[in-house]
Amino acid sequence: QITLKESGPTLVKPTQTLTLTCTFSGFSLSTSGMGVGWIRQPPGKALEWLALIYWNDDNRYSPSLKSRLTITKDTSKNQVVLTVTNMDPVDTATYYCAHYGDYRFAYYFDYWGRGTLVTVSS
Amino acid sequence: QSLLTQPPSASGTPGQRVTISCSGSSSNIGKNLVNWYQQLPGAAPKLLIYGHNQRPSGVPDRFSGSKSGTSASLAISGLQSEDEADYYCAAWDDGLNESWVFGGGTKLTVL
Repeated sequence: QITLKESGPTLVKPTQTLTLTCTFSGFSLSTSGMGVGWIRQPPGKALEWLALIYWNDDNRYSPSLKSRLTITKDTSKNQVVLTVTNMDPVDTATYYCAHYGDYRFAYYFDYWGRGTLVTVSS
Repeated sequence: QSLLTQPPSASGTPGQRVTISCSGSSSNIGKNLVNWYQQLPGAAPKLLIYGHNQRPSGVPDRFSGSKSGTSASLAISGLQSEDEADYYCAAWDDGLNESWVFGGGTKLTVL
């Protein structure tokens, strides 16, 4: 059974750096083909993909946010960490981490955490 | 502005069949597989359809997906009250800036 859980601060000030941790179980990020992604959703708005890290440390970032994002993994702890620099009120959102699965060349986010709401305010 | 365009709202009565469209381009839906997610109020998104038309285990066969050219559609038959949710399409975009892209979401209301 795959589960994921996001953790981190609920409130950050503008210009600060946000660090979020995704702790997962039911799979290993050292297994070929595995991946974990981050997706966010501002209140009342659509989903926005942020970043993705694979078992081999390859990663992908949203082009519009690439300069502010860093995704890393700690295989021994079953954790993936996302940092977002220079936070702004427009970054207020629920941040989700999700397992990245694949089947016959189809790729998708198939298991999601419950999400954590991060508010950016002074 | 999302690269995938969905109607902001859709509605139907119990038992009806409704469809939700997702319009993209040659760099996303035109060449890559489409996924659909269902987000119930206050909950995390749930994978509903992957690879254009495949259902994960546990998803009722009332839900189906299709693709034609650079557009995709989600169909829900035998509409039920518990289907009231937000629905999002998603696809990998191979354009100048590679990324996962989501549609703007469609709020489905069961009348």
